[in-house]
Amino acid sequence: GAVVSQHPSWVICKSGTSVKIECRSLDFQATTMFWYRQFPKQSLMLMATSNEGSKATYEQGVEKDKFLINHASLTLSTLTVTSAHPEDSSFYICSASREYSYNEQFFGPGTRLTVL
Amino acid sequence: TQLLEQSPQFLSIQEGENLTVYCNSSSVFSSLQWYRQEPGEGPVLLVTVVTGGEVKKLKRLTFQFGDARKDSSLHITAAQPGDTGLYLCAGSLGGDYKLSFGAGTTVTVRA
Repeated sequence: GAVVSQHPSWVICKSGTSVKIECRSLDFQATTMFWYRQFPKQSLMLMATSNEGSKATYEQGVEKDKFLINHASLTLSTLTVTSAHPEDSSFYICSASREYSYNEQFFGPGTRLTVL
Repeated sequence: TQLLEQSPQFLSIQEGENLTVYCNSSSVFSSLQWYRQEPGEGPVLLVTVVTGGEVKKLKRLTFQFGDARKDSSLHITAAQPGDTGLYLCAGSLGGDYKLSFGAGTTVTVRA
């Protein structure tokens, strides 16, 4: 149990376009989902926390209008990178936590975004 | 500044040797997790420790949570090439469900 999927696994887009990344918990209901960004050979940096049915909470320095997060159901959260630029190229990873087990997060396989 | 300091940053050993990775902080954590990540993939949860002094074993991996819940260690016995990966410790300060990650330790086990 506790499987999280992400789609797409990789995407290449032109500068100025928007890209949507989906994160799904496949076999459990995720009350909270998290979005991270990871640069090569570095650790994970938390971007935002999202709870089903409410607005996401963004970490300091993360532009909420740039990285739109929607958590419409207990199994799906989406991250939209709007007007992407080359500096947005990165590995984006989501995670989900189960109700009553908030300290454990189960991670998706990640999405490699390359902006040309 | 990283809330969790991991050491060493890199570790390269021969198959069959033992290794230990450390995770230290000045903060007290309600729980601490260890993850392993392979290139191009998401981290995979290895273990969660919640009680000070707790020791958990997962086959050849032994995890320890410090008595004061400020530090943890991961020990691998008789390492194998399949143990190669980025090991990350992450802690929760409690009340706040966010995880703070260490910088990671890249482990390479040579055959």
